[in-house]
Amino acid sequence: SQQGEEDPQALSIQEGENATMNCSYKTSINNLQWYRQNSGRGLVHLILIRSNEREKHSGRLRVTLDTSKKSSSLLITASRAADTASYFCATTHSGTYKYIFGTGTRLKVLA
Amino acid sequence: EAGVAQSPRYKIIEKRQSVAFWCNPISGHATLYWYQQILGQGPKLLIQFQNNGVVDDSQLPKDRFSAERLKGVDSTLKIQPAKLEDSAVYLCASSLAGGKNTEAFFGQGTRLTVV
Repeated sequence: SQQGEEDPQALSIQEGENATMNCSYKTSINNLQWYRQNSGRGLVHLILIRSNEREKHSGRLRVTLDTSKKSSSLLITASRAADTASYFCATTHSGTYKYIFGTGTRLKVLA
Repeated sequence: EAGVAQSPRYKIIEKRQSVAFWCNPISGHATLYWYQQILGQGPKLLIQFQNNGVVDDSQLPKDRFSAERLKGVDSTLKIQPAKLEDSAVYLCASSLAGGKNTEAFFGQGTRLTVV
């Protein structure tokens, strides 16, 4: 399969806690992006990190990228019930620019 | 800025019937993608267009699925004949520059149920 893998598959935390999810991929990339998908809705872009970047922040989101390990992590700080969703990483492959998604992490934030 | 438009939103068909989905990308976006998302899974890339040329269709079941992008703008995805395992949400996305450090914008998808 071309898809990357994310872990954990599911995560349940209390409101106010931090949530960390990881993404591993298989080939050289141009960039890696994280998306959120609420139940029954479309995919919403969260953040893009380029292959020459190691860390990026956006509000309560922190993304890291380790190209030597072909992995990325997404940290959501001070989680809220509204953060309950599935989170996917997507990689843009070098050369072909194919846009491949991971398997996703289902996050549930309990109020 | 108008988003990616897809139609229909929902479709129910019987197995062995045909179905077509339509996508209108964001104006000026050169790259268009079709994904299949089965419940509980990540989106799977079916086909990627750059303008009206195909960049990748390696995971498109070509015996039953076909896609075209007219004049490098709108696109249609067709399934003929449909199977039960084709039940999924079909997502269309577009990006400005083929993923070169630009994000892809997604439509709301078409939910297909094959009975």
